[in-house]
Amino acid sequence: GAVVSQHPSWVICKSGTSVKIECRSLDFQATTMFWYRQFPKQSLMLMATSNEGSKATYEQGVEKDKFLINHASLTLSTLTVTSAHPEDSSFYICSAAGVNAYNEQFFGPGTRLTVL
Amino acid sequence: TQLLEQSPQFLSIQEGENLTVYCNSSSVFSSLQWYRQEPGEGPVLLVTVVTGGEVKKLKRLTFQFGDARKDSSLHITAAQPGDTGLYLCAGGYNFNKFYFGSGTKLNVKP
Repeated sequence: GAVVSQHPSWVICKSGTSVKIECRSLDFQATTMFWYRQFPKQSLMLMATSNEGSKATYEQGVEKDKFLINHASLTLSTLTVTSAHPEDSSFYICSAAGVNAYNEQFFGPGTRLTVL
Repeated sequence: TQLLEQSPQFLSIQEGENLTVYCNSSSVFSSLQWYRQEPGEGPVLLVTVVTGGEVKKLKRLTFQFGDARKDSSLHITAAQPGDTGLYLCAGGYNFNKFYFGSGTKLNVKP
């Protein structure tokens, strides 16, 4: 149980284009989903917290107009990187919580974004 | 500035040795989680601790939550090459927001 999927697993795009990443909880309803960014050999940096049906809460320094998050249902959240630039290249990982009272989060496999 | 500091950052040991990874913060957390991550994959949850002083064992792994709920440790007994990976702690606020530690990269040589 507690399986989270991400799609796509990797994407290469041209500078200036937008990229959408999907995060799905496959066997449970996620009351909260989180989006993280991870640079090579570094830890995960929390970008935003998303609750179903409400606006995402962004961490300080994360541009909400650049990283659009939509959490339309209890099993799906999307992250859209708008007008991507090479510095947006990174490993983006989502997690979903809501399995138990501790709100343990279960992670997707990540999406490798490369902006040329 | 990292909210949670892990030490050591890197650890390379021989198979069979014991090791301890530390996760320290000045903040009090409602819960603390430990994860293991392989390159190119998402982190996998190992354990969640919620009570100050709590100790949990998972086969050769022993997790402890500090009495003040500000720090935690992960002890691995008789490490094996399969334990190689990036170990991450994550502190939770009100069970609704989590911040990750700086990570400890473990390499266990056969």
